[in-house]
Amino acid sequence: QVQLQESGPGLVKPSQTLSLTCTVSGGSISSGAYFWSWIRQFPGKGLEWIGDITYSGSTKYNPTLMSRGTISLDTSENHFSLKLSSVSAADTAVYYCARRFVDTRDDWFDPWGQGTLVTVSS
Amino acid sequence: DIQMTQSPSSLSASVGDRVTVFCRASQSIRSHLNWYQQKPGKAPKLLIYSASSLQSGVPSRFSGGGSETAFTLTISDLQPEDFATYYCQQSYITPLTFGRGTKVEIK
Repeated sequence: QVQLQESGPGLVKPSQTLSLTCTVSGGSISSGAYFWSWIRQFPGKGLEWIGDITYSGSTKYNPTLMSRGTISLDTSENHFSLKLSSVSAADTAVYYCARRFVDTRDDWFDPWGQGTLVTVSS
Repeated sequence: DIQMTQSPSSLSASVGDRVTVFCRASQSIRSHLNWYQQKPGKAPKLLIYSASSLQSGVPSRFSGGGSETAFTLTISDLQPEDFATYYCQQSYITPLTFGRGTKVEIK
């Protein structure tokens, strides 16, 4: 079965760029049926969809990021990545990657990675 | 953005109880509503998609209902492993949005 695993620094300084990678195993990231997504969970437990990328490289982002986010795909490594620029303490969260199934009727996130805590602090 | 409002924010229940969690959307989302279960330190897990379809492997004591703006998640015969936080999520339009969660605690 498909599994996802996030990796990246757990501490980022304010104003710098947060960079995370999600490695997919048990399935190909090139499958056309899925989008590959990033979601974060704030310390107060609220969940926020960050954005996704399709197998062809099309992206969509949450406007709340104010154009700070970039999601990219590496099919040769079977992983996808998130970069979030100009971070502040408000970006401190657990970051999850997830596979998103989308068709005309159904649209859901499953499975999710285990999550990685990123703290923004000097 | 579509706002998702869950109620109650927490509830206490006993093993064997029937529990219902409510989720309301700020506008019609037809049946584009998913439910997730999250246990402490773990990622959310998909339980119900498209308002009422049970994800493969999820016990049949979980059921979902509703459409347009009002939705429910019901757990019949609550089991010890069901004590967790439950989130609804709309997939009708981006940005995709989640409810704030309902924590089901042991009475």
